[in-house]
Amino acid sequence: EAGVAQSPRYKIIEKRQSVAFWCNPISGHATLYWYQQILGQGPKLLIQFQNNGVVDDSQLPKDRFSAERLKGVDSTLKIQPAKLEDSAVYLCASRPGPGTEAFFGQGTRLTVV
Amino acid sequence: SQQGEEDPQALSIQEGENATMNCSYKTSINNLQWYRQNSGRGLVHLILIRSNEREKHSGRLRVTLDTSKKSSSLLITASRAADTASYFCATGEYGNKLVFGAGTILRVKS
Repeated sequence: EAGVAQSPRYKIIEKRQSVAFWCNPISGHATLYWYQQILGQGPKLLIQFQNNGVVDDSQLPKDRFSAERLKGVDSTLKIQPAKLEDSAVYLCASRPGPGTEAFFGQGTRLTVV
Repeated sequence: SQQGEEDPQALSIQEGENATMNCSYKTSINNLQWYRQNSGRGLVHLILIRSNEREKHSGRLRVTLDTSKKSSSLLITASRAADTASYFCATGEYGNKLVFGAGTILRVKS
């Protein structure tokens, strides 16, 4: 089966610019996650969707980050305006349901200069 | 916030030796999972152990879970150079939440 697709793979922007990341999960997977992974750290959960509804966005910096999952399939994560500390790899993952493994995309490496 | 805390932060062993990584967590869990991440790549699922299980095996991997101590361990036997990677535990919490620890960097020298 096709894996989790993410684009772009790399992005370099200047601070205060905006950027968007796209994720297409595995077909049929109801749960979708966005994680932020700063170099040398573990993935930090930003937002969790169940179908097209938000389950958990407690760690999403809502003043600058937004995410949506229209029609409960693919998802976009946006940062506006970006800060230097947003430099990280943004990982998307999906899973069929509770108690199952999560499948990760290759991630988008964001560099803010 | 991170749920699991891995120990050690880094581990360097010779090929053929066993590698043991530990994970501690704080809240009630539904299951605990281990993932591997090669440099610059996404995470790959290794093994899942449910909260009512104490031990699980998969090939050269052995995972234990002690819910009374809120801890888990991952043992990789007969390590290979290709096992060099970062290893993360992730707690599967109620509500389908999946929270990762800080990871252990494993280096296997050939």
